[in-house]
Amino acid sequence: NAGVMQNPRHLVRRRGQEARLRCSPMKGHSHVYWYRQLPEEGLKFMVYLQKENIIDESGMPKERFSAEFPKEGPSILRIQQVVRGDSAAYFCASSLYNEQFFGPGTRLTVL
Amino acid sequence: KNEVEQSPQNLTAQEGEFITINCSYSVGISALHWLQQHPGGGIVSLFMLSSGKKKHGRLIATINIQEKHSSLHITASHPRDSAVYICAVEDNGGSQGNLIFGKGTKLSVKP
Repeated sequence: NAGVMQNPRHLVRRRGQEARLRCSPMKGHSHVYWYRQLPEEGLKFMVYLQKENIIDESGMPKERFSAEFPKEGPSILRIQQVVRGDSAAYFCASSLYNEQFFGPGTRLTVL
Repeated sequence: KNEVEQSPQNLTAQEGEFITINCSYSVGISALHWLQQHPGGGIVSLFMLSSGKKKHGRLIATINIQEKHSSLHITASHPRDSAVYICAVEDNGGSQGNLIFGKGTKLSVKP
């Protein structure tokens, strides 16, 4: 049973471009969570999704950020018109019930 | 004041020492998580607990709900235990994925 997979592992974007981060949960897991770790800072919750539903997006910035978890395929975290402050490690986790399993993260660098 | 406080921030130990990392929180919680972040950045969930004590190998986690305090103990520490240990809580007023994280304790175990 493969673990949580994230791709790409490293992503470089120029200011103003779009970033798409993908997360494939563990097989059978229907809950997905996205977290952000800014340089030299702790992890912060962004959004919690179940299949086709956003359960809690209280940690998402109001603009430019969106997330989805479609019926088929991976969960996508989309950042439009990236700025340098978006440079961070983005982790997703999945769970069947409460115990979360983390992916390896995507390190986004905005030039 | 952060809702989740960890101590110490940094900890250096000699191989074989008994290690304790502390976590205090100020909100009502439904569960507390201990995570390990490796030097390469990957995150592993060590424990999720809501009462009492859990043990896995050389790791022991305890929680005192009344005192809003948890400890992570490592017995017979080894250099491979070197990592950042993160405490996170589920606020019982929030969704299950909405974790509030401490800033982490950086542990270095010397041979």
